Amino acid sequence: DTAVSQTPKYLVTQMGNDKSIKCEQNLGHDTMYWYKQDSKKFLKIMFSYNNKELIINETVPNRFSPKSPDKAHLNLHINSLELGDSAVYFCASSQDRVRGESYEQYFGPGTRLTVT
Amino acid sequence: AQTVTQSQPEMSVQEAETVTLSCTYDTSESNYYLFWYKQPPSRQMILVIRQEAYKQQNATENRFSVNFQKAAKSFSLKISDSQLGDTAMYFCAFAYRQYSGNTPLVFGKGTRLSVIA
Repeated sequence: DTAVSQTPKYLVTQMGNDKSIKCEQNLGHDTMYWYKQDSKKFLKIMFSYNNKELIINETVPNRFSPKSPDKAHLNLHINSLELGDSAVYFCASSQDRVRGESYEQYFGPGTRLTVT
Repeated sequence: AQTVTQSQPEMSVQEAETVTLSCTYDTSESNYYLFWYKQPPSRQMILVIRQEAYKQQNATENRFSVNFQKAAKSFSLKISDSQLGDTAMYFCAFAYRQYSGNTPLVFGKGTRLSVIA
């Protein structure tokens, strides 16, 4: 019973290609996120969606485009891949705090993207 | 903007001993959450412990406890009776508490903990 799943777990591709990473959560959460973990292990928010609506869009190249077809899915599409895009990308989700007292983000297993 | 600082890039501890990981943060918010996440070599992000800023009592979860000093903006993690399975990267994280919806986590740069047999 995977709570937050991502596909694929590993992705190796060449510069200039376009690729997508899919994320699904079966927790009924309202908010989903994409984080990027660089080679030094630093984690930083990229996007946040609440009920399919973009809430946060940090300073990310417009080659990165998130898409949320429904509340349970948040996909990440990357155009014209560059060497610097190599990283681990994590999807996460959380319940709307208004309905829940505590606040926790559940993370997917991550997708290691390698651009050659 | 919120920032989270972990001043210890690497630490090691003998099995069964106690270790404390440091974290400080900077924010102008008064309502927020603080977290410690563990990332073992499998790279899965695992929530270790959570603290609500409005609660004065320090959170504990089995062998894990925190020392939350709100005025000093300090949030350290103590691991007692360290086990080999505790070997991992540990991230301190902050999220401010807003009226509705959720906010993303702001992470520190992590502390790599090695538990030695």
